[in-house]
Amino acid sequence: QKEVEQNSGPLSVPEGAIASLNCTYSDRGSQSFFWYRQYSGKSPELIMFIYSNGDKEDGRFTAQLNKASQYVSLLIRDSQPSDSATYLCVPNTGFQKLVFGTGTRLLVSP
Amino acid sequence: GAVVSQHPSRVICKSGTSVKIECRSLDFQATTMFWYRQFPKQSLMLMATSNEGSKATYEQGVEKDKFLINHASLTLSTLTVTSAHPEDSSFYICSALLAGGNTGELFFGEGSRLTVL
Repeated sequence: QKEVEQNSGPLSVPEGAIASLNCTYSDRGSQSFFWYRQYSGKSPELIMFIYSNGDKEDGRFTAQLNKASQYVSLLIRDSQPSDSATYLCVPNTGFQKLVFGTGTRLLVSP
Repeated sequence: GAVVSQHPSRVICKSGTSVKIECRSLDFQATTMFWYRQFPKQSLMLMATSNEGSKATYEQGVEKDKFLINHASLTLSTLTVTSAHPEDSSFYICSALLAGGNTGELFFGEGSRLTVL
């Protein structure tokens, strides 16, 4: 069983819209999550870390965590074509190896 | 944030030769580094966990004699692909765990694209 489930996409949104990326997880013991962004042909980069229920905002990005529903999301406001990438929801394993899924591919059209 | 440097970024080699990829943490000490491999349109697959001063721990299905990992210092881990074959062509990415960090996040190198002819 996969640790997280993400729609592989592509999720297509017009420039300026809000992109909503969703992730559900199966392990109730997961306490915190990373959101990584990976551009095609590049290595992943961390964009958000969330460990508390509720919202965490950083610029145009808002991460949401709902532990009761086992649901994590990432909202990108005012989406730009440069946001087009694959977004990976990754459970934090507490200084152990991280397991990556295929993520959600986001396409922002001009 | 912490910086991880990986070299070379691209390498082309002939079948049967060996290739070494270096991964350095530039501004922090990394007791643990991870090596991933990614084929086109697939997810990152963990190959091995590299711990400074000890033998690497390989994931199931990864040949330890083919993918030699050395983590001789707190800032350097190397991956050597021995007797490379075309099926080893892939994007190899190292990552480092910030010792003493708060979150357990991984800092990634830029990746090394290996093409075996």
